[in-house]
Amino acid sequence: NAGVMQNPRHLVRRRGQEARLRCSPMKGHSHVYWYRQLPEEGLKFMVYLQKENIIDESGMPKERFSAEFPKEGPSILRIQQVVRGDSAAYFCASSPWLVTSEFANEQFFGPGTRLTVL
Amino acid sequence: AQSVTQPDIHITVSEGASLELRCNYSYGATPYLFWYVQSPGQGLQLLLKYFSGDTLVQGIKGFEAEFKRSQSSFNLRKPSVHWSDAAEYFCAGNTGKLIFGQGTTLQVKP
Repeated sequence: NAGVMQNPRHLVRRRGQEARLRCSPMKGHSHVYWYRQLPEEGLKFMVYLQKENIIDESGMPKERFSAEFPKEGPSILRIQQVVRGDSAAYFCASSPWLVTSEFANEQFFGPGTRLTVL
Repeated sequence: AQSVTQPDIHITVSEGASLELRCNYSYGATPYLFWYVQSPGQGLQLLLKYFSGDTLVQGIKGFEAEFKRSQSSFNLRKPSVHWSDAAEYFCAGNTGKLIFGQGTTLQVKP
């Protein structure tokens, strides 16, 4: 059973370009979360998605950032017109649906995509 | 506001010594708490988790953590540290999304 897959592992973009980060959750997992880790900082929640639905995007910057989790295919985190401050490691996590308590769900993390903006 | 705090940014211990990493949480209800480890350039690996019941939970790699409601703490411990334990450790609470502490970097001296 493959784990959470993220690609690319490393992405270099120039200021003003677009960055697309992909995440394939573990088999059978219907919940996807995106987190950002800025240099020397902990992880910060960005967005929580289920298939075709954004459940919680309270951590997403208001502009230039968007996320989707289509019915088919991976989840995509899209950053338009990147700036140097977007340089960070972006982690995706997935979890299954458990009846007992959503909050108890363990999240399984991918290896991350390290975005560098020149 | 719900929060997780790791008071120690950086800790150095000698190989074979015992280890305790501190974590404090602030929640209104029963917390769901986790400890993750991150090696340089890698993703996060779950060490252990607390949902309810026994306050002492066992994890992988010889780690354990004790939940103390009276102190709002969930400290991670290991009786004897190995050089391979050098990494960054994150405490997190789940409120539908994970809220992470700032992380503690562990260095192990030979």
